[in-house]
Amino acid sequence: QVQLQEAGPGLVKPSEILSLTCNVSRDSISSYHWSWIRQPPGKGLEWIASIYSRGNTNFNPALKSRVAISVDTSKNQLSLRLISVTAADTAVYYCAKLTDDTFDIWGQGTMVTVSS
Amino acid sequence: QSVLMQPPSVSAAPGQKVTIACSGSNSNIGNNYVSWFQQLPGTVPRLVIYDNHRRPSGIPDRFSGSKSGTSATLAISELQTGDEADYYCGSWDNSLRPSFVFGTGTKVIVL
Repeated sequence: QVQLQEAGPGLVKPSEILSLTCNVSRDSISSYHWSWIRQPPGKGLEWIASIYSRGNTNFNPALKSRVAISVDTSKNQLSLRLISVTAADTAVYYCAKLTDDTFDIWGQGTMVTVSS
Repeated sequence: QSVLMQPPSVSAAPGQKVTIACSGSNSNIGNNYVSWFQQLPGTVPRLVIYDNHRRPSGIPDRFSGSKSGTSATLAISELQTGDEADYYCGSWDNSLRPSFVFGTGTKVIVL
């Protein structure tokens, strides 16, 4: 089945841009829908955004003005871009496959800390 | 900010049954499917229930889900020590543009 692996910088300075990628293996990224979800340390899950196989997108209203999600089919890779980060954006970021209105396969997650 | 409310914790002895409630509204649970995710300590969330009551391949039938109106319930029967984890409900919300909302999370404690 599909496997997902996130990659990110680990540490980002406040007000800068957070960029993450998610490598999709064992199947074509074009065949499915995808999402980003995050979890601050010791807290619950928060959906960030989804991108569908036709390219349309949905965003968490609280993050919409700062978030971009995209797919690079040549690299079989999902990306997330979050601008103007603050300490509140410190979290483990997960990419997930979206199927039947839910998230059936998750990556291992990548921890991102926002700090100067 | 979660719009789906769950109890902070539930507990029971091994072999017993626990139920976790997830309370929402017409814009989410009332008109959309509910999923449940299990997060064992230090691990990645795992889907255990989708479409209100369906189990993904590999999830034992000790896990069951149901929905009534604007609330959903996850039940875990024959509780095992390995079931001790955080559980999150989730559903799409159609208040404005579609967005997915998770519950506040419930810690299942095996006594």
